[in-house]
Amino acid sequence: GDSVTQMEGPVTLSEEAFLTINCTYTATGYPSLFWYVQYPGEGLQLLLKATKADDKGSNKGFEATYRKETTSFHLEKGSVQVSDSAVYFCALSDPNAGGTSYGKLTFGQGTILTVHP
Amino acid sequence: EAGVAQSPRYKIIEKRQSVAFWCNPISGHATLYWYQQILGQGPKLLIQFQNNGVVDDSQLPKDRFSAERLKGVDSTLKIQPAKLEDSAVYLCASSQGAGYEAFFGQGTRLTVV
Repeated sequence: GDSVTQMEGPVTLSEEAFLTINCTYTATGYPSLFWYVQYPGEGLQLLLKATKADDKGSNKGFEATYRKETTSFHLEKGSVQVSDSAVYFCALSDPNAGGTSYGKLTFGQGTILTVHP
Repeated sequence: EAGVAQSPRYKIIEKRQSVAFWCNPISGHATLYWYQQILGQGPKLLIQFQNNGVVDDSQLPKDRFSAERLKGVDSTLKIQPAKLEDSAVYLCASSQGAGYEAFFGQGTRLTVV
């Protein structure tokens, strides 16, 4: 079945450092890929998405490129801020999962990001 | 625009008791999802509704979990009887339809003791 794997363990960075959170996926079809963010005390929010190979999703300085050849969707930001501290989830939606259940999200385990001043 | 509303925010119950969670999706959203998020893991889909019909409940433990979506709007998720391993955050999400962006509520944190 479909699955998403994120890099293990929390990430701790200093402000203005470069961020990479790795994400790889397995899917039977040609999925859409997403990054969701969960700030402390809030619900999950869509950060960015990409729907086809080589698409680049971007938002709030974050970017991720859909790499079909490596089945990856790594999240990057050039200069993180304290306000970026949150939990980040990589997810996919597989249109071949079954017609009426299209839209179901399969999530990775999440990566806790802490940014220090 | 009002977001997805969930209640209660927190619930503590003893094992073998029953509990219910409520979700009010964004107005006009046809698709509603319930996810279970165990600490340290990503959310896992329990059930997906399209209007008031179930389209995917393959991961719902049907011996103890039940869900309904009345008139294609609000939804309730019930656990009876609860087990210790049901301790998790229960997330409700809604979208205009399957394949559209899903919007999540803040979740209900359940602790079973």
